[in-house]
Amino acid sequence: KQEVTQIPAALSVPEGENLVLNCSFTDSAIYNLQWFRQDPGKGLTSLLLIQSSQREQTSGRLNASLDKSSGRSTLYIAASQPGDSATYLCAVTPGDSNYQLIWGAGTKLIIKP
Amino acid sequence: ETGVTQSPTHLIKTRGQQVTLRCSSQSGHNTVSWYQQALGQGPQFIFQYYREEENGRGNFPPRFSGLQFPNYSSELNVNALELDDSALYLCASSPGPRGSNQPQHFGDGTRLSIL
Repeated sequence: KQEVTQIPAALSVPEGENLVLNCSFTDSAIYNLQWFRQDPGKGLTSLLLIQSSQREQTSGRLNASLDKSSGRSTLYIAASQPGDSATYLCAVTPGDSNYQLIWGAGTKLIIKP
Repeated sequence: ETGVTQSPTHLIKTRGQQVTLRCSSQSGHNTVSWYQQALGQGPQFIFQYYREEENGRGNFPPRFSGLQFPNYSSELNVNALELDDSALYLCASSPGPRGSNQPQHFGDGTRLSIL
């Protein structure tokens, strides 16, 4: 059974720092991995999607990497800003059931001005 | 702006009642998924519809049911509400058929509270 874990559960850093959020999954047979952002009381915004054949994806100040063999993904945020404060969730689409997403519980990120 | 809208935004019900939540998918998106998100947790997959047919279901009892309509709108129905059903219910649509590497687009959800 696929399980997704995100560590740490919460992170608070000063503005301007580069930071890394971690996501691990137990079964390497995945179809893709996605990173989402969720603002309080809101829905989810897709940030990056990495296909199983890819190693990384970049969008602006965000870079996500994928290492299927070790069951890990990282989300790198460069030059953090207060507007980056949100909860970041990762989700995998299992390879044997590519219609659902299996989610981590998220990392709550606070960027201090 | 994701183009996915959900209604209502908030809803209060009592145990044993029935509820219908609605979602309007982004135009042209023929796949819709529903998720339940308890406070402080990641979403849990309820089910997915593709071209008006259910094509996948998570570990939820039959009192959770859904419909998808030709105009890309969909419904989540929950019967015999229980206290544990209190959660944020999220609808997500995607343009491709199941299995395509297309990101899902989420609405802002319906916050359901059971008293």
